[in-house]
Amino acid sequence: EPEVTQTPSHQVTQMGQEVILRCVPISNHLYFYWYRQILGQKVEFLVSFYNNEISEKSEIFDDQFSVERPDGSNFTLKIRSTKLEDSAMYFCASSLVTDYEQYFGPGTRLTVT
Amino acid sequence: GQQLNQSPQSMFIQEGEDVSMNCTSSSIFNTWLWYKQDPGEGPVLLIALYKAGELTSNGRLTAQFGITRKDSFLNISASIPSDVGIYFCAGSGTYKYIFGTGTRLKVLA
Repeated sequence: EPEVTQTPSHQVTQMGQEVILRCVPISNHLYFYWYRQILGQKVEFLVSFYNNEISEKSEIFDDQFSVERPDGSNFTLKIRSTKLEDSAMYFCASSLVTDYEQYFGPGTRLTVT
Repeated sequence: GQQLNQSPQSMFIQEGEDVSMNCTSSSIFNTWLWYKQDPGEGPVLLIALYKAGELTSNGRLTAQFGITRKDSFLNISASIPSDVGIYFCAGSGTYKYIFGTGTRLKVLA
């Protein structure tokens, strides 16, 4: 069964460093998403991406964040200068079309020290 | 911004009991999704609902899309120990999904 994959599973970085989180969405899906979940809290929407453009973003997704689809399979989230409060699980998700079933990857745990 | 209120926040039930949880919002959604999340893992899609009034089942799970499009509920019948976890609703509209606050389910054997 097709699935969303994410790498790395755990990333530790120092405050101020740049990190890139990687995702491979389900191959025939067209819409891609990033979410964040701080430990013990709900899943928070960050950004949606379609046709090589951002479709929607939340107030969390400020200038420190960017997304890219560098090739036909990968979808990345970059945080330019990490802060302590960026420590969280980051989930990638994909869906075939908007307003449809959305499938999540296993997540990347980001720890900023 | 849009918010989804999910209740109850947590519940303990005996194995074999039925469970009911719901999500309400002040906003209208086009689609409702229900997920289960185990510790340290990504949410797993359980049920998707696309039309107001729709009632859909997946094994022991049944979910409904409210007529007003502002709410949804999930029922789990005859709970078993592996039903333990956090259940999230998510409503979609215009390229994003908003998640509920979650219901933590604990099943006592």
